[in-house]
Amino acid sequence: GAVVSQHPSWVICKSGTSVKIECRSLDFQATTMFWYRQFPKQSLMLMATSNEGSKATYEQGVEKDKFLINHASLTLSTLTVTSAHPEDSSFYICSARDQGGGYGYTFGSGTRLTVV
Amino acid sequence: QQQVKQSPQSLIVQKGGIPIINCAYENTAFDYFPWYQQFPGKGPALLIAIRPDVSEKKEGRFTISFNKSAKQFSLHIMDSQPGDSATYFCASGTSYGKLTFGQGTILTVHP
Repeated sequence: GAVVSQHPSWVICKSGTSVKIECRSLDFQATTMFWYRQFPKQSLMLMATSNEGSKATYEQGVEKDKFLINHASLTLSTLTVTSAHPEDSSFYICSARDQGGGYGYTFGSGTRLTVV
Repeated sequence: QQQVKQSPQSLIVQKGGIPIINCAYENTAFDYFPWYQQFPGKGPALLIAIRPDVSEKKEGRFTISFNKSAKQFSLHIMDSQPGDSATYFCASGTSYGKLTFGQGTILTVHP
């Protein structure tokens, strides 16, 4: 089945630094990838939709300059949290949809970001 | 408003019981209704999904019941096991767009 690899699985960074999270579709091409944020015991909140070769579409209230998304190829999307602060600490999850169509959304295993 | 409302927030059953989780959606354009299982520290994993052209779908111990007129769908877990203890999310979406998730249900299955 479709596999989405997310890296790193956890990261601790100092306040003010930037952190990059990678999301790769391993065995399929993903025209569209999605980035979610999840706080403890809460649901997944969509942050942005990433389309290969074009600018990401951000959800209302998500700071574009803080959460930089790049989808340079059909198998890789990256999320960079710039100038991270403790309130950015969260669980970030990506998902990808198979370019071949259908309804399958495959999720990565998530990245636990802790900003100290 | 494209909300998906999920209930209950938490559910405790004994081994072998049949937990039922319910979801209601608002957007009639939605045509994809998946259920995801999530363990702590992991991403969601697809359990089962249904399209609106059928009223029920069964895969192993998991069954989705779908009521298009009421805009509701539910997940039934047959013969539940302690290993099924997890958080379950329903979602709704379209073939061209994004998924909207329910609030989640924490299921605990006691041995």
